[in-house]
Amino acid sequence: DTEVTQTPKHLVMGMTNKKSLKCEQHMGHRAMYWYKQKAKKPPELMFVYSYEKLSINESVPSRFSPECPNSSLLNLHLHALQPEDSALYLCASSQFIRGRGSPLHFGNGTRLTVT
Amino acid sequence: TQLLEQSPQFLSIQEGENLTVYCNSSSVFSSLQWYRQEPGEGPVLLVTVVTGGEVKKLKRLTFQFGDARKDSSLHITAAQPGDTGLYLCAGGRNNAGNMLTFGGGTRLMVKP
Repeated sequence: DTEVTQTPKHLVMGMTNKKSLKCEQHMGHRAMYWYKQKAKKPPELMFVYSYEKLSINESVPSRFSPECPNSSLLNLHLHALQPEDSALYLCASSQFIRGRGSPLHFGNGTRLTVT
Repeated sequence: TQLLEQSPQFLSIQEGENLTVYCNSSSVFSSLQWYRQEPGEGPVLLVTVVTGGEVKKLKRLTFQFGDARKDSSLHITAAQPGDTGLYLCAGGRNNAGNMLTFGGGTRLMVKP
């Protein structure tokens, strides 16, 4: 079982819908991440939060809006998505954001389909 | 942009065979991590190597970090069907926070 929990596991939404993806970890990690993974491709970084503050936004379109309510929770709010946004959205956490590469702990992802 | 190239992209072998997956870059990384991802799940960390020339073993898996810290390899001995999955290498850099550069992945299928 992963220590990073993501909900929902699957989500189908229309292009006019508003939905949210949720992620939770209780390992005391201070860095949390959103990645997007298309089929047969490696994960692509979207956002990084460090100590609940947005640290990195990898030029992600504004239809994706991250939120970190506290050190254990990370949300990704979705609005007006396009079919090409369909992908596996992975949440990850790490102990720190600095250093030589603190290992990432991934959730099992939310499989998003935009119709 | 740091580029990590993995080879092969896809590998299909019989149970009991040995294999090696390579992860190469023209850039130096301060650390190199290997992950395995199974269908419907997130990547799971297998190992982190940080010292040039370092070799780490995890049961039948042997990981090596190149002397110049630009490349790494993963060798699996006597592969089993349970080794099937997507293997990802990811490089970290000093002074870049925890930003990892992922390789393109190697999809391994081990047939019984």
